[in-house]
Amino acid sequence: QVHLQQSGPGLVKPSQTLSLTCAISGDSVSSNSAAWAWIRQSPSRGLEFLGRTYYRSKWYNDYALSVKDRVTVNPDTSKNQFSLQLNSVTPEDTAVYYCAGGHSAFSAWGQGTLVTVSS
Amino acid sequence: EIVLMQSPGTLSLSPGERATLSCRASQSVSSSLLAWYQQKPGQAPRLLIYGVSNRATGIPDRFSGSGSGTDFTLTISRLEPEDFAVYYCQHHVNPPPTWTFGQGTKVEIK
Repeated sequence: QVHLQQSGPGLVKPSQTLSLTCAISGDSVSSNSAAWAWIRQSPSRGLEFLGRTYYRSKWYNDYALSVKDRVTVNPDTSKNQFSLQLNSVTPEDTAVYYCAGGHSAFSAWGQGTLVTVSS
Repeated sequence: EIVLMQSPGTLSLSPGERATLSCRASQSVSSSLLAWYQQKPGQAPRLLIYGVSNRATGIPDRFSGSGSGTDFTLTISRLEPEDFAVYYCQHHVNPPPTWTFGQGTKVEIK
């Protein structure tokens, strides 16, 4: 069974960078048939896909158009984890952030991290 | 951009009753990429159904999915107390790579 464990700060100042990490157990970030994503949820925007990384003989990334200029999702094969960086945050980026992934849709999810953007 | 519209917004039912949840896409979508999730308060969403009708690992057979084109349905044959939650449909298209969620249907105890 795949388990995803998130870590990272719950408070970020406006204009700074939001950084979260998701450690994978029970699967590999380098799996040739899985993908690993970040999704956020807020009352105003609902569930919103941000970006994903996956390996198919080489590494690929997909990003949502709404955050494409500010988001990076990176794998870390040495630690079997992946990360999210969201730059230049504003209060509108306040949300619960989830990592998710798997081989069929989003079959595994992290526990969620409430990230508040405030000075 | 494909929009997923779920109805009803809230469904009030009693345990043992049948629940029928609808997800309508603004344009025809690939069935292989339509999924359903369940979310309880304070928890992450849980995958129930993928590829329209395939139950995820460990999901009871009282949950079933159907549909094609623009209209998809999640059916819970007999509601158990633990089934009262919010349900989301989700679709994936590429290009551009886009994952879209519906706004959710809340199934509450009547």
